[in-house]
Amino acid sequence: EPEVTQTPSHQVTQMGQEVILRCVPISNHLYFYWYRQILGQKVEFLVSFYNNEISEKSEIFDDQFSVERPDGSNFTLKIRSTKLEDSAMYFCASSVLFLSNQPQHFGDGTRLSIL
Amino acid sequence: KNQVEQSPQSLIILEGKNCTLQCNYTVSPFSNLRWYKQDTGRGPVSLTIMTFSENTKSNGRYTATLDADTKQSSLHITASQLSDSASYICVVSAGATNKLIFGTGTLLAVQP
Repeated sequence: EPEVTQTPSHQVTQMGQEVILRCVPISNHLYFYWYRQILGQKVEFLVSFYNNEISEKSEIFDDQFSVERPDGSNFTLKIRSTKLEDSAMYFCASSVLFLSNQPQHFGDGTRLSIL
Repeated sequence: KNQVEQSPQSLIILEGKNCTLQCNYTVSPFSNLRWYKQDTGRGPVSLTIMTFSENTKSNGRYTATLDADTKQSSLHITASQLSDSASYICVVSAGATNKLIFGTGTLLAVQP
């Protein structure tokens, strides 16, 4: 069964450094999402992306964050200047259509640790 | 404020037994309600999706119910297996953009 794949599985970065998290959505999917889960807390929506544009973003997704689909397969989340509170598990998800009965398929996440 | 609350926080049951997990939500505008299973260290996996007009939906040993009037949902697991040990997350989709609002999850442990 097709999967959403995320790399790296674990990223350790110094505070203030830029980090890029990578995702390869399922190939025929059109809608892409990033979520984060701080340890012990609920999963939180960050941003949705369609047709090379941000569809919606949460208040967490400030100017330090950006998303890009640089080619036909990758979907990236960039954090420009990382802070300690950015430490979390980051999940990428994709869905084939923007319909209410379509599931979002999640990758296994990238654990980001900011030192 | 959009919120999804789940109970219990954690649950331990014996293999072969049934259990029911609860979810209450205050989300507007409501689009649909989903149950996800999240194994430790893995991403969430979709179990069921229910729209406003659906009262119940099954996926194997998982049966979800939805009462849109009282804004409550439940997930019933029958004949539990050791592999059912995971976090079960109630997720409500809001508005036209289908943004997902997650509950805190119920951590289920199935013991032999």
